[in-house]
Amino acid sequence: GQQLNQSPQSMFIQEGEDVSMNCTSSSIFNTWLWYKQDPGEGPVLLIALYKAGELTSNGRLTAQFGITRKDSFLNISASIPSDVGIYFCAGLNTGGFKTIFGAGTRLFVKA
Amino acid sequence: DARVTQTPRHKVTEMGQEVTMRCQPILGHNTVFWYRQTMMQGLELLAYFRNRAPLDDSGMPKDRFSAEMPDATLATLKIQPSEPRDSAVYFCASGSQGLAGYTGELFFGEGSRLTVL
Repeated sequence: GQQLNQSPQSMFIQEGEDVSMNCTSSSIFNTWLWYKQDPGEGPVLLIALYKAGELTSNGRLTAQFGITRKDSFLNISASIPSDVGIYFCAGLNTGGFKTIFGAGTRLFVKA
Repeated sequence: DARVTQTPRHKVTEMGQEVTMRCQPILGHNTVFWYRQTMMQGLELLAYFRNRAPLDDSGMPKDRFSAEMPDATLATLKIQPSEPRDSAVYFCASGSQGLAGYTGELFFGEGSRLTVL
Protein backbone atom coordinates (compact mmCIF):
# COMPACT_ATOMS: atom_id res chain seq x y z
CA GLY A 1 0.00 0.00 0.00
CA GLN A 2 0.91 3.66 -0.02
CA GLN A 3 3.63 4.71 2.39
CA LEU A 4 5.14 7.99 3.40
CA ASN A 5 8.82 8.18 4.29
CA GLN A 6 9.44 10.94 6.75
CA SER A 7 12.88 12.20 7.74
CA PRO A 8 14.68 12.74 9.92
CA GLN A 9 13.30 10.43 12.59
CA SER A 10 14.44 12.80 15.31
CA MET A 11 16.20 16.13 15.69
CA PHE A 12 17.99 17.71 18.62
CA ILE A 13 18.45 21.46 18.17
CA GLN A 14 19.20 24.63 20.09
CA GLU A 15 16.56 27.24 20.67
CA GLY A 16 16.66 29.80 17.89
CA GLU A 17 17.78 27.39 15.19
CA ASP A 18 15.79 26.73 12.05
CA VAL A 19 14.42 23.24 11.40
CA SER A 20 13.64 21.42 8.19
CA MET A 21 11.94 18.06 7.76
CA ASN A 22 10.50 16.31 4.75
CA CYS A 23 8.24 13.59 3.54
CA THR A 24 8.44 11.53 0.36
CA SER A 25 6.24 8.97 -1.28
CA SER A 26 6.54 6.56 -4.18
CA SER A 27 3.04 7.53 -5.25
CA ILE A 28 1.26 10.80 -5.89
CA PHE A 29 -0.89 12.59 -3.37
CA ASN A 30 -3.22 15.50 -4.11
CA THR A 31 -3.32 16.83 -0.59
CA TRP A 32 -0.44 17.06 1.87
CA LEU A 33 -0.96 17.89 5.51
CA TRP A 34 1.34 18.54 8.44
CA TYR A 35 0.36 17.82 12.04
CA LYS A 36 2.02 18.30 15.40
CA GLN A 37 1.48 16.06 18.40
CA ASP A 38 2.27 17.22 21.92
CA PRO A 39 2.86 14.60 24.64
CA GLY A 40 -0.41 13.04 25.82
CA GLU A 41 -2.46 14.76 23.13
CA GLY A 42 -3.83 13.99 19.70
CA PRO A 43 -2.20 15.40 16.55
CA VAL A 44 -3.21 18.93 15.63
CA LEU A 45 -3.31 20.21 12.07
CA LEU A 46 -0.65 22.82 11.30
CA ILE A 47 -0.82 23.33 7.55
CA ALA A 48 -2.82 21.87 4.66
CA LEU A 49 -1.56 22.01 1.07
CA TYR A 50 -3.84 21.40 -1.89
CA LYS A 51 -1.87 22.34 -4.99
CA ALA A 52 1.46 21.19 -6.41
CA GLY A 53 4.09 23.87 -5.84
CA GLU A 54 2.02 25.58 -3.17
CA LEU A 55 3.99 27.28 -0.38
CA THR A 56 2.01 28.07 2.75
CA SER A 57 3.00 29.69 6.03
CA ASN A 58 1.50 29.57 9.48
CA GLY A 59 3.49 31.86 11.77
CA ARG A 60 7.03 30.51 11.97
CA LEU A 61 6.05 27.40 10.03
CA THR A 62 6.30 27.11 6.25
CA ALA A 63 5.34 24.06 4.23
CA GLN A 64 5.57 23.28 0.54
CA PHE A 65 3.77 20.83 -1.72
CA GLY A 66 6.36 19.36 -4.07
CA ILE A 67 6.01 19.86 -7.81
CA THR A 68 6.07 16.11 -8.45
CA ARG A 69 3.28 15.68 -5.87
CA LYS A 70 5.40 12.97 -4.27
CA ASP A 71 6.97 15.07 -1.55
CA SER A 72 6.47 17.88 0.91
CA PHE A 73 8.61 19.67 3.44
CA LEU A 74 8.07 21.65 6.62
CA ASN A 75 10.35 24.39 7.92
CA ILE A 76 10.26 25.92 11.37
CA SER A 77 12.15 29.15 11.82
CA ALA A 78 13.68 30.41 15.05
CA SER A 79 12.65 27.38 17.11
CA ILE A 80 11.42 27.79 20.68
CA PRO A 81 11.03 25.20 23.47
CA SER A 82 7.29 24.79 22.86
CA ASP A 83 8.06 23.50 19.35
CA VAL A 84 9.00 20.21 21.01
CA GLY A 85 6.79 17.36 19.85
CA ILE A 86 6.24 14.90 17.03
CA TYR A 87 5.60 16.30 13.56
CA PHE A 88 3.67 14.12 11.13
CA CYS A 89 3.18 14.50 7.44
CA ALA A 90 0.06 13.02 5.89
CA GLY A 91 -1.18 12.46 2.37
CA LEU A 92 -4.61 12.13 0.80
CA ASN A 93 -5.82 11.55 -2.73
CA THR A 94 -8.56 13.57 -4.39
CA GLY A 95 -11.95 11.97 -3.99
CA GLY A 96 -10.64 9.63 -1.35
CA PHE A 97 -10.92 9.69 2.42
CA LYS A 98 -7.99 7.53 3.45
CA THR A 99 -5.33 9.75 5.05
CA ILE A 100 -1.93 8.08 5.33
CA PHE A 101 0.55 9.29 7.95
CA GLY A 102 4.32 9.27 7.98
CA ALA A 103 6.18 7.82 10.97
CA GLY A 104 6.83 11.27 12.41
CA THR A 105 9.81 13.45 13.24
CA ARG A 106 10.52 13.90 16.95
CA LEU A 107 11.81 17.38 17.64
CA PHE A 108 13.75 18.24 20.78
CA VAL A 109 14.64 21.87 21.47
CA LYS A 110 17.24 22.80 24.05
CA ALA A 111 16.82 26.19 25.68
CA ASP B 1 -15.21 25.15 21.24
CA ALA B 2 -15.78 22.25 18.85
CA ARG B 3 -13.64 19.21 19.51
CA VAL B 4 -13.61 15.46 19.24
CA THR B 5 -14.32 13.78 22.57
CA GLN B 6 -13.04 10.31 23.43
CA THR B 7 -13.72 8.09 26.40
CA PRO B 8 -12.15 6.58 28.38
CA ARG B 9 -8.85 8.49 28.43
CA HIS B 10 -7.13 5.56 30.09
CA LYS B 11 -8.07 1.92 30.41
CA VAL B 12 -6.20 -0.92 32.06
CA THR B 13 -7.69 -4.35 31.58
CA GLU B 14 -6.76 -7.99 31.66
CA MET B 15 -6.23 -10.16 28.65
CA GLY B 16 -9.48 -11.66 27.43
CA GLN B 17 -11.69 -8.81 28.61
CA GLU B 18 -13.89 -6.77 26.31
CA VAL B 19 -12.92 -3.15 25.74
CA THR B 20 -15.16 -0.47 24.26
CA MET B 21 -13.88 2.96 23.29
CA ARG B 22 -16.23 5.77 22.38
CA CYS B 23 -15.91 8.89 20.29
CA GLN B 24 -18.10 11.92 19.76
CA PRO B 25 -17.07 13.61 16.50
CA ILE B 26 -17.35 17.32 15.88
CA LEU B 27 -20.91 18.27 15.01
CA GLY B 28 -21.30 18.49 11.25
CA HIS B 29 -18.28 16.31 10.46
CA ASN B 30 -19.55 13.23 8.66
CA THR B 31 -16.25 11.43 8.13
CA VAL B 32 -14.92 9.62 11.20
CA PHE B 33 -11.66 7.69 11.58
CA TRP B 34 -10.09 5.33 14.10
CA TYR B 35 -6.29 5.30 14.32
CA ARG B 36 -4.01 3.31 16.59
CA GLN B 37 -0.65 4.69 17.68
CA THR B 38 2.27 2.63 18.94
CA MET B 39 5.97 3.36 19.10
CA MET B 40 6.73 0.64 16.59
CA GLN B 41 3.96 1.23 14.03
CA GLY B 42 3.23 4.93 14.28
CA LEU B 43 -0.30 6.02 13.36
CA GLU B 44 -2.16 3.10 11.79
CA LEU B 45 -5.55 3.61 10.20
CA LEU B 46 -7.94 0.99 11.53
CA ALA B 47 -11.29 2.01 10.03
CA TYR B 48 -13.28 4.95 8.79
CA PHE B 49 -16.87 5.93 8.19
CA ARG B 50 -18.62 8.30 5.87
CA ASN B 51 -22.16 9.35 6.79
CA ARG B 52 -22.10 6.56 9.40
CA ALA B 53 -21.42 3.88 6.78
CA PRO B 54 -18.15 1.95 7.09
CA LEU B 55 -15.96 2.64 4.06
CA ASP B 56 -12.86 0.71 4.95
CA ASP B 57 -11.95 -1.41 7.94
CA SER B 58 -9.11 -3.31 6.33
CA GLY B 59 -6.68 -2.03 8.94
CA MET B 60 -8.47 -3.83 11.75
CA PRO B 61 -7.92 -7.39 12.94
CA LYS B 62 -11.36 -8.68 11.98
CA ASP B 63 -11.55 -11.51 14.43
CA ARG B 64 -11.45 -9.32 17.52
CA PHE B 65 -12.05 -5.70 16.52
CA SER B 66 -15.31 -4.10 15.47
CA ALA B 67 -16.19 -0.49 14.73
CA GLU B 68 -19.64 1.02 14.48
CA MET B 69 -21.45 4.34 14.30
CA PRO B 70 -24.82 3.86 15.98
CA ASP B 71 -25.66 7.49 15.23
CA ALA B 72 -24.01 10.63 13.90
CA THR B 73 -22.80 11.67 17.35
CA LEU B 74 -21.22 8.39 18.43
CA ALA B 75 -18.55 6.08 17.05
CA THR B 76 -17.42 2.99 18.92
CA LEU B 77 -14.41 0.70 18.68
CA LYS B 78 -14.70 -2.62 20.43
CA ILE B 79 -12.04 -5.24 21.12
CA GLN B 80 -13.19 -8.68 22.22
CA PRO B 81 -11.22 -10.49 23.51
CA SER B 82 -8.39 -8.07 24.19
CA GLU B 83 -4.74 -9.17 24.05
CA PRO B 84 -1.54 -7.56 25.38
CA ARG B 85 -0.48 -6.65 21.83
CA ASP B 86 -3.55 -4.38 21.60
CA SER B 87 -1.93 -2.03 24.11
CA ALA B 88 -1.69 1.33 22.34
CA VAL B 89 -3.26 4.75 22.15
CA TYR B 90 -6.43 4.74 20.06
CA PHE B 91 -7.38 8.00 18.39
CA CYS B 92 -10.65 9.02 16.87
CA ALA B 93 -10.61 11.83 14.31
CA SER B 94 -13.35 13.56 12.39
CA GLY B 95 -12.93 15.19 9.01
CA SER B 96 -14.18 18.62 8.08
CA GLN B 97 -16.40 19.47 5.15
CA GLY B 98 -15.78 22.46 2.91
CA LEU B 99 -17.86 23.91 0.12
CA ALA B 100 -16.17 21.50 -2.28
CA GLY B 101 -16.67 18.49 -0.05
CA TYR B 102 -14.26 16.66 2.21
CA THR B 103 -11.18 18.77 2.89
CA GLY B 104 -8.89 16.08 4.25
CA GLU B 105 -8.33 18.08 7.42
CA LEU B 106 -8.63 15.81 10.43
CA PHE B 107 -9.42 16.84 13.98
CA PHE B 108 -8.21 14.35 16.56
CA GLY B 109 -9.49 13.53 20.00
CA GLU B 110 -7.10 13.24 22.92
CA GLY B 111 -6.94 9.48 22.57
CA SER B 112 -7.74 6.44 24.70
CA ARG B 113 -4.65 4.84 26.18
CA LEU B 114 -5.25 1.11 26.49
CA THR B 115 -3.10 -1.25 28.51
CA VAL B 116 -3.88 -4.95 28.35
CA LEU B 117 -2.14 -7.01 31.01
